[in-house]
Amino acid sequence: AQSVTQPDIHITVSEGASLELRCNYSYGATPYLFWYVQSPGQGLQLLLKYFSGDTLVQGIKGFEAEFKRSQSSFNLRKPSVHWSDAAEYFCAVGPSVGGGNKLTFGTGTQLKVEL
Amino acid sequence: GAVVSQHPSRVICKSGTSVKIECRSLDFQATTMFWYRQFPKKSLMLMATSNEGSKATYEQGVEKDKFLINHASLTLSTLTVTSAHPEDSSFYICSASISGKNNEQFFGPGTRLTVL
Repeated sequence: AQSVTQPDIHITVSEGASLELRCNYSYGATPYLFWYVQSPGQGLQLLLKYFSGDTLVQGIKGFEAEFKRSQSSFNLRKPSVHWSDAAEYFCAVGPSVGGGNKLTFGTGTQLKVEL
Repeated sequence: GAVVSQHPSRVICKSGTSVKIECRSLDFQATTMFWYRQFPKKSLMLMATSNEGSKATYEQGVEKDKFLINHASLTLSTLTVTSAHPEDSSFYICSASISGKNNEQFFGPGTRLTVL
């Protein structure tokens, strides 16, 4: 069965500092990978996605993520965090073939930004 | 593009009543819609998957008679929480996907249900 692990429940960074949120997945084949962000009381917004091709993916709001097959990882990065980036971040994995478009989500990482 | 709306955004109801939540794809036709439940400070738990014109597929442990899902058109799916109880209080989020769009799901803003 597929699974997603986000090892860090909470992360606190200073504004302007760099950020890396970790995501590891377990899947039998090459998955589709996603990062979503959720502000309090809101739905999920897609930051970026990986389907194939270049393993370094650029997303919105200055975020990027790198797919590393050998490590089964898809870590999210941002070189300089803004106070408005404080939110919950979810990594998700979906099947590249079949599977009915289902996504499996990690447990999320709560990001706090210190001013 | 690919906007999904939910209505209502927030609802408070008495125990024993039923509540209907609507999920609409505003600018595309959604072949599949998904309903999630999110507990405070927790991840999203998939409740069911629905395809237009067919019965929803429920995840293990989700009571299909309690959480009625109807996907009557390619732009509308509804979730009805029947005989709601306080333990049904939660944040319910829907998403929609388009056939052939690489499994990408577009999420609604969520509905906060509080059962008194």
